[in-house]
Amino acid sequence: EVQLVESGGGLVQPGGSLRLSCEASGFTFSSSWMNWVRQAPGKGLEWVANINYDGSEKKYVDSAKGRFTISRDNAKNLIYLQMNGLRVEDTALYYCAQGFGCDDWGQGTLVTVSS
Amino acid sequence: DIVMTQSPDSLAVSLGERATINCKSSQSLLSNSKNYLAWFQQKAGQPPKMIIYWASTRKPGVPDRFSGSGSGTDFTLTISSLQAEDVAVYYCQQYYGTPLTFGGGTKVGIK
Repeated sequence: EVQLVESGGGLVQPGGSLRLSCEASGFTFSSSWMNWVRQAPGKGLEWVANINYDGSEKKYVDSAKGRFTISRDNAKNLIYLQMNGLRVEDTALYYCAQGFGCDDWGQGTLVTVSS
Repeated sequence: DIVMTQSPDSLAVSLGERATINCKSSQSLLSNSKNYLAWFQQKAGQPPKMIIYWASTRKPGVPDRFSGSGSGTDFTLTISSLQAEDVAVYYCQQYYGTPLTFGGGTKVGIK
């Protein structure tokens, strides 16, 4: 059974930083594309970033470019999202999803950006 | 970026009746005879769950009352006989290219 467990969310002031983690199990992690997708309170889904099998390809939504960095550690079955320069509009539930099309999702970790 | 437009925003259907959700993409999602289109179901307080991929293939365990159709730029999710447990928001998503993009969602409720 695929399991994805996100952590690292919390309350941060505008301009601050957070690093999200996602621990994966139940599938061949080192062969899977991985994604971060976010959902602002009461809103729809927004894809944020993805990373390929070995970390050699990384793509971002325009609003995340230059501020967020996705990475992975295949030895530990972990992916990360380093978020710098956080803005109020980054407030959302951040989900980790496996597969290029986001086949399976974790429960999410809440990021709140507020002064 | 590929824009995904869903309609309607919400609908209410009687139990046992058909529910139909439409999704239109701003460019064709067809490549190598496959449509790079997925449907997700999100129940209240839960993460999204993929129910359909390649526009018409049900994920294992998804009831056969859910079906996907369409090709190119126009797609449809049909729930043939709505059950109480189908109350949710449904999203279409294209994975033809990055950025991956989602439709705005359709809220399905019981009339």
